Amino acid sequence: AQSVAQPEDQVNVAEGNPLTVKCTYSVSGNPYLFWYVQYPNRGLQFLLKYITGDNLVKGSYGFEAEFNKSQTSFHLKKPSALVSDSALYFCAAPKAAGNKLTFGGGTRVLVKP
Amino acid sequence: GAGVSQSPSNKVTEKGKDVELRCDPISGHTALYWYRQSLGQGLEFLIYFQGNSAPDKSGLPSDRFSAERTGGSVSTLTIQRTQQEDSAVYLCASSLGDSRYEQYFGPGTRLTVT
Repeated sequence: AQSVAQPEDQVNVAEGNPLTVKCTYSVSGNPYLFWYVQYPNRGLQFLLKYITGDNLVKGSYGFEAEFNKSQTSFHLKKPSALVSDSALYFCAAPKAAGNKLTFGGGTRVLVKP
Repeated sequence: GAGVSQSPSNKVTEKGKDVELRCDPISGHTALYWYRQSLGQGLEFLIYFQGNSAPDKSGLPSDRFSAERTGGSVSTLTIQRTQQEDSAVYLCASSLGDSRYEQYFGPGTRLTVT
């Protein structure tokens, strides 16, 4: 079955520094991979997705993610973090058996001024 | 345009009571999902509706939980005989199709069972 894992519960970064949120996947066939963000007391928002094509995917709010097949990773990146990027980030992929998404456990990002 | 809406935003109920949570998806979205999120935790899939197909109920934690989607639009999640462990934020999402499409989430219903 397809699954995703986020190895870090929390990431702390200073404002202006690069931000990376890690995600690894275990899938059969070609993966569909997503990143979502949840700001405090808000619902989840779609950031970006990888279906096929270019390994570097650009999304909302200046975020991008790199699909790496050899490392089975789909890390989320932002070159220069903002305090307003502090949120909970989820990686997700469809389950093999059906059409529902399986989510990683989430990574809390704290950007300090 | 209008996003996914959920009501109520907050619900406090006594243990043993039944509750109904409502979700209005984005117009034209054929897929609708319910998730549960415990305080500051990850997402737990509950149920998935896609068009006229039979719903995927594999995530419902017990037979106290049920959901329906009327006319391919509005959905109601019902929890019977609520327990304290049911306390969580219940999130609804809709999408244009199957899981290759991004999901649009509502703001959630915070359920507290006392």
